[in-house]
Amino acid sequence: GESVGLHLPTLSVQEGDNSIINCAYSNSASDYFIWYKQESGKGPQFIIDIRSNMDKRQGQRVTVLLNKTVKHLSLQIAATQPGDSAVYFCAENRGGFTGGGNKLTFGTGTQLKVEL
Amino acid sequence: SAVISQKPSRDICQRGTSLTIQCQVDSQVTMMFWYRQQPGQSLTLIATANQGSEATYESGFVIDKFPISRPNLTFSTLTVSNMSPEDSSIYLCSLTPSSEAFFGQGTRLTVV
Repeated sequence: GESVGLHLPTLSVQEGDNSIINCAYSNSASDYFIWYKQESGKGPQFIIDIRSNMDKRQGQRVTVLLNKTVKHLSLQIAATQPGDSAVYFCAENRGGFTGGGNKLTFGTGTQLKVEL
Repeated sequence: SAVISQKPSRDICQRGTSLTIQCQVDSQVTMMFWYRQQPGQSLTLIATANQGSEATYESGFVIDKFPISRPNLTFSTLTVSNMSPEDSSIYLCSLTPSSEAFFGQGTRLTVV
């Protein structure tokens, strides 16, 4: 039978352009946020994280921005490459990091398609 | 970083049967997590597996349907019991030895 499920939002960008992927979270008590990249057939891969006492963090070609006022998180990818094509998820830790484990709540996800 | 080996990577199962998914880690961790990812959707936490105690299940998930074992600090299993087509999903184990969470490659389960 036909599979019924949510269709992920899709962002299409040209190779070399910058990508911005957005995420809204609901729990003001969340103190730690992570962006993951998931390629087809693979588990989520860590990209970058940010704690709630920061509003910006930069990595290699990626930047995460956190706006706690409006509970918004974004991932910016500079000079997007074909290898960046994947589904991107934001995740939040609502309970604080307890020794030995983070229990994460994941956002819906965005499909990034890089066009040549 | 942690290396997580999860198997099987995929399986096609008949409804009414059960499948046990294994997750092996190359280092000792206190907590391991099991997630479900339904087709085209995000990840949902099923349960937290602590070594030496019963797993803690999230709302909507019960031990009879998803029994979990955690015999030691490097291994865990998740069983999907009495499967129906609605259980067709990707199941992933995860651990967070530090602030960063690592995931296995997932088990793609199709129930027919």
